[in-house]
Amino acid sequence: EADIYQTPRYLVIGTGKKITLECSQTMGHDKMYWYQQDPGMELHLIHYSYGVNSTEKGDLSSESTVSRIRTEHFPLTLESARPSHTSQYLCASSGGSGKAFGPGTRLTVT
Amino acid sequence: GNSVTQMEGPVTLSEEAFLTINCTYTATGYPSLFWYVQYPGEGLQLLLKATKADDKGSNKGFEATYRKETTSFHLEKGSVQVSDSAVYFCALSDRGSGGSNYKLTFGKGTLLTVNP
Repeated sequence: EADIYQTPRYLVIGTGKKITLECSQTMGHDKMYWYQQDPGMELHLIHYSYGVNSTEKGDLSSESTVSRIRTEHFPLTLESARPSHTSQYLCASSGGSGKAFGPGTRLTVT
Repeated sequence: GNSVTQMEGPVTLSEEAFLTINCTYTATGYPSLFWYVQYPGEGLQLLLKATKADDKGSNKGFEATYRKETTSFHLEKGSVQVSDSAVYFCALSDRGSGGSNYKLTFGKGTLLTVNP
């Protein structure tokens, strides 16, 4: 069973708010990822990290930012949320044991 | 660049029917190929994988064979159950050896609904 956690699972907020989506894993994986999933199900890589203090932008441009200060923690921040940010956000990590996905955060910006 | 094209859904089947979800890919080198499943309200789970040509991945009655000559990795199951209702994603990684450590390129997902 995967040990990767995301909080909150569901979030409804107003436009202009700053939010941070939390992701943590207890497997000691070096590599972590954030995917954005369209309402139509398609997944897009928006950020990834190969280790502490390493962050890279993914294939899809995103207004969010990430940080990797600790191996187990990879939070994603939106400084000013907009309705276009409404989506499901999936965190993943990978290591010797393979790649695991968190349960996702479903974000709605009103 | 890499890309994955999978059969568009939704797919609706009756219980015990045969399932095929087509997946083809474009990649440089020798990618690893995966099928992920997403049950309602949950994250993605790895269903099966294959890391080299002619490998067959299998799990929970699902199978897929890595066909390099046709660049395909079609998902099949002989007899689906209501509990198989989910979204299925075909994916590839950009490194051949194992591949699980690297970025994944996903198909758009296929929604499967199995009716009793």
